[in-house]
Amino acid sequence: DAGVTQSPTHLIKTRGQHVTLRCSPISGHKSVSWYQQVLGQGPQFIFQYYEKEERGRGNFPDRFSARQFPNYSSELNVNALLLGDSALYLCASSFTFEGVYYYGYTFGSGTRLTVV
Amino acid sequence: SQKIEQNSEALNIQEGKTATLTCNYTNYSPAYLQWYRQDPGRGPVFLLLIRENEKEKRKERLKVTFDTTLKQSLFHITASQPADSATYLCALGAGNMLTFGGGTRLMVKP
Repeated sequence: DAGVTQSPTHLIKTRGQHVTLRCSPISGHKSVSWYQQVLGQGPQFIFQYYEKEERGRGNFPDRFSARQFPNYSSELNVNALLLGDSALYLCASSFTFEGVYYYGYTFGSGTRLTVV
Repeated sequence: SQKIEQNSEALNIQEGKTATLTCNYTNYSPAYLQWYRQDPGRGPVFLLLIRENEKEKRKERLKVTFDTTLKQSLFHITASQPADSATYLCALGAGNMLTFGGGTRLMVKP
């Protein structure tokens, strides 16, 4: 079975541009969460979606948005990119939005975004 | 504000010894705590979960303790191997959200 897949794996963007990151959860998993990980730090929560509805939002500006599709895949969008948005963006999936309470998350390998 | 502290300095130990990693937290009442392993350039991998009403959990060479009075979790790897070298993240959970610590890098030398 395929794990959580993210695309692209690497991306270089210029300040002010827009970026879309994509995530496909494990088959059967209906919950997708997005995390930002700056080098040397732990992942920081951005969003959680379950059954296409936003179930949680971290302390990130409105430039960050996300959505989940009927097949449970998800997109993370970031507008007006800043240098500080450079990070590894991780997607994690679980069977339910409460699944993390029982089984933990399955993470993808992430998208490395560099803003220049 | 909520704070999760893990030793930011790398932990260097000799192969075969027990590695003990610490996770301390303040201003937080987690319902559960998880430990993840992360290798360079990869996403975290789930290792263990322990709930607030549990004191200890074991899985093969791994053991985690959870003291809600001290607000501390200890993560032990017994009979450590060079392949255990990685960054280990603790994550506190309440409901469906996880908050991660900064991680501790473990280096196991042969």
